[in-house]
Amino acid sequence: SAVISQKPSRDICQRGTSLTIQCQVDSQVTMMFWYRQQPGQSLTLIATANQGSEATYESGFVIDKFPISRPNLTFSTLTVSNMSPEDSSIYLCSVEDQTEAFFGQGTRLTVV
Amino acid sequence: GENVEQHPSTLSVQEGDSAVIKCTYSDSASNYFPWYKQELGKRPQLIIDIRSNVGEKKDQRIAVTLNKTAKHFSLHITETQPEDSAVYFCAASIIGRVGRSSGDKLTFGTGTRLAVRP
Repeated sequence: SAVISQKPSRDICQRGTSLTIQCQVDSQVTMMFWYRQQPGQSLTLIATANQGSEATYESGFVIDKFPISRPNLTFSTLTVSNMSPEDSSIYLCSVEDQTEAFFGQGTRLTVV
Repeated sequence: GENVEQHPSTLSVQEGDSAVIKCTYSDSASNYFPWYKQELGKRPQLIIDIRSNVGEKKDQRIAVTLNKTAKHFSLHITETQPEDSAVYFCAASIIGRVGRSSGDKLTFGTGTRLAVRP
């Protein structure tokens, strides 16, 4: 199993600003995943972060809006840039152990 | 890419009754089908999974069935209890011998909100 610490747990931000979300894992992992979960909706993959290379973004998500860092095998950050109210959502990081996905506790972002 | 549909979106059952949630997938190459439970305000957690080489798997009160030909799989919860109330997500993916490759993402269904009435 993997234990993931994600912070902040929640934030209220002004539109036009940026927020960086941090994710720390208690073991070394090759891939870390960032998801968005809009209110009452499913989990949508934003990007896959690999250590030592650029993140791979899913359709509809771009690096300028969601820059990702992966400085080592236990840590990653996701930045939500130039925020608008449409970015209000829960953001979750995730890692996998063979097949099972483990999630951070999520960051509830509200943009006003 | 993979598309996973999930039904129903909401389900209300009496305590002690059974609950069934169904999912269909589009990519015949998918071979791994997990189910996640997300309680209110908490992170999703794996409750059961099935690989394409088996048709059914049980773990106490929960079971999952898979029909590869029809490309659908279902979650069955028997003797439901109030603590089963949560949102359940199915998912589909392709996994190899050592896990999932970066190009084969885990695709989630839209979720089912289960309410168990005491």
